[in-house]
Amino acid sequence: DGGITQSPKYLFRKEGQNVTLSCEQNLNHDAMYWYRQDPGQGLRLIYYSQIVNDFQKGDIAEGYSVSREKKESFPLTVTSAQKNPTAFYLCASSSGGGLETQYFGPGTRLLVL
Amino acid sequence: GNSVTQMEGPVTLSEEAFLTINCTYTATGYPSLFWYVQYPGEGLQLLLKATKADDKGSNKGFEATYRKETTSFHLEKGSVQVSDSAVYFCALTGTRPQNSGGSNYKLTFGKGTLLTVNP
Repeated sequence: DGGITQSPKYLFRKEGQNVTLSCEQNLNHDAMYWYRQDPGQGLRLIYYSQIVNDFQKGDIAEGYSVSREKKESFPLTVTSAQKNPTAFYLCASSSGGGLETQYFGPGTRLLVL
Repeated sequence: GNSVTQMEGPVTLSEEAFLTINCTYTATGYPSLFWYVQYPGEGLQLLLKATKADDKGSNKGFEATYRKETTSFHLEKGSVQVSDSAVYFCALTGTRPQNSGGSNYKLTFGKGTLLTVNP
């Protein structure tokens, strides 16, 4: 079955530590996205990528970094510069540009120890 | 910029009751409109969408009509079930993300409405 997988389901970060969240898709989608969800709020865009080896900042990119070395993969690193990382992180993908529907993975919950 | 406003929850209904969740938007141009549903501890699932004025999206008994004159996309269901308990998000796309040099568009979300359906 085609879909988006995210791992791990739960992730714990210590102070000063960088952690990486995985996102893989087998939908053959060109575009991929990372969103952050906080309780009682909608989702906010962190980074997005339209094509391999290219990515753009979203609305809340500070303290995060990404890479897009393969079409199927779009990992997100939460760096120590992100002072409030506790949130639910959702990865999405879409078939291309324009107004294509975005499809979401199951999410990773990041907690700070 | 674009924005989405949806009714605040939580909304609590009895099984077989009628559901309306209001959603209004502010956008330039002609956005596409979406309803996503999120079950506890899970990611978002696309529920329905509409891409132009007067389009009606429908799925699993849920419906929403794209009303450009009132900038609304209200979600309705005639008879809810316990299994419909979830958080519902209204969203739109059609605006370039910041610093965009390409053609992709971000989703702008409302804050979500928690629906609880009791047996």
